Amino acid sequence: QLQLQESGPGLVKPSETLSLTCTVSGGSITRSSYYWDWIRQPPGKGLEWIGSVYYIGTTTHYNPSLKSRVTISLDTSKNQFSLMLSSVTAADTAVYYCARPGIWSGHSEVGAFDIWGQGTMVTVSS
Amino acid sequence: DIQMTQSPSSLSAFVGDRVTITCRASQSISTYLNWYQQKPGKAPNLLIYAASTLHSGVPSRFSGSGSGADFTLTISSLQPEDFATYYCQQSYDTPPTFGGGTKVEIK
Repeated sequence: QLQLQESGPGLVKPSETLSLTCTVSGGSITRSSYYWDWIRQPPGKGLEWIGSVYYIGTTTHYNPSLKSRVTISLDTSKNQFSLMLSSVTAADTAVYYCARPGIWSGHSEVGAFDIWGQGTMVTVSS
Repeated sequence: DIQMTQSPSSLSAFVGDRVTITCRASQSISTYLNWYQQKPGKAPNLLIYAASTLHSGVPSRFSGSGSGADFTLTISSLQPEDFATYYCQQSYDTPPTFGGGTKVEIK
């Protein structure tokens, strides 16, 4: 059974770069034509999609609201993908989830997130 | 971005009640609509994808309907374990966007 696990610092100072890693276990990150995504949820608020990376690392998509500050990359040797978010402020305080949209209907992936990590809380504070 | 609006934002119902949550998109999204259940301190769980297809392992009391811009999630007979917040999400366009959530409380 495929599982995702986020890791990284729980506290980041304002203006610094937030770095998180998602480790994929129970299967290879390059096994099939999946995207690998990051989603966040500020305390007591709703869900915001951050971006995604294709399974061979050639393609990324970012939320336009964060695009200038976000980098998502793949490390196939470690079966991991990572998130970097620069110039953070208190508004970036959130639970960060890695997730996979892995539901296919016919020949199309439908964009539903069927596998999620447990989430990791990141607080931006000096 | 496509805006997703859920209503109500919260509701309270008895065990056994039929509960309906609505989700409206700011434009037509065909049936690219997914529903999630989130319990406190946990990651969301996929319930329904493509507007009406029940995800594997999800109880049959959950159902979804709709197309275009208007969608509904129905719980036919509310159970105590259904206390949670429910989110809709469109996957028609990038960025995927979520509704604001509906918190379901048990009376």
